[in-house]
Amino acid sequence: AQSVTQLGSHVSVSEGALVLLRCNYSSSVPPYLFWYVQYPNQGLQLLLKYTTGATLVKGINGFEAEFKKSETSFHLTKPSAHMSDAAEYFCAVSRQGGNQFYFGTGTSLTVIP
Amino acid sequence: DVKVTQSSRYLVKRTGEKVFLECVQDMDHENMFWYRQDPGLGLRLIYFSYDVKMKEKGDIPEGYSVSREKKERFSLILESASTNQTSMYLCASISSGLAGGRSSNEQFFGPGTRLTVL
Repeated sequence: AQSVTQLGSHVSVSEGALVLLRCNYSSSVPPYLFWYVQYPNQGLQLLLKYTTGATLVKGINGFEAEFKKSETSFHLTKPSAHMSDAAEYFCAVSRQGGNQFYFGTGTSLTVIP
Repeated sequence: DVKVTQSSRYLVKRTGEKVFLECVQDMDHENMFWYRQDPGLGLRLIYFSYDVKMKEKGDIPEGYSVSREKKERFSLILESASTNQTSMYLCASISSGLAGGRSSNEQFFGPGTRLTVL
């Protein structure tokens, strides 16, 4: 069975500050891991994904995430927050080669000017 | 440019009405999904389909049915809408990577339909 836990349903950061959104997963098999972003009244857009290989994954808009198997984590970071980063962020896990995704409950990011 | 489209962005229906939500993808994907999204609950899977005329229940299928008559189209049906079905509905698709193709391991999402049942 697979599941995802996102710590913190709401995160606020100042513009220019570090963004850290936390994601922990449970999976009985090697996982694929994803971060999606959702802007108001829109669908989900892929930020980045980990499937195999390098554990530090770089995505769009300056975001990156590191797969840490020992900690079962896949935290999302960005060195310097921008106002346009304000959105809802979802972490998701799927089984390698599988088609079903399991989503966390989401983290709403607010960027304070 | 890959695309998943949904028939309506906003929909208002009355209790008891039959509601159809349509989703079309142009990527020749085998797998299609319907989720509902509610504050604090994230995305919950209603139904998915891995082939034409095939369907599988997700985590919350009660009150919903689906139809997949063509590969590119996946419809969600609310037989008798109720107020607790007011929600954002998201459609997604993914390639299975079969038939010589290669899955991108990514679900592509439509823009969503915000349904209000009065």
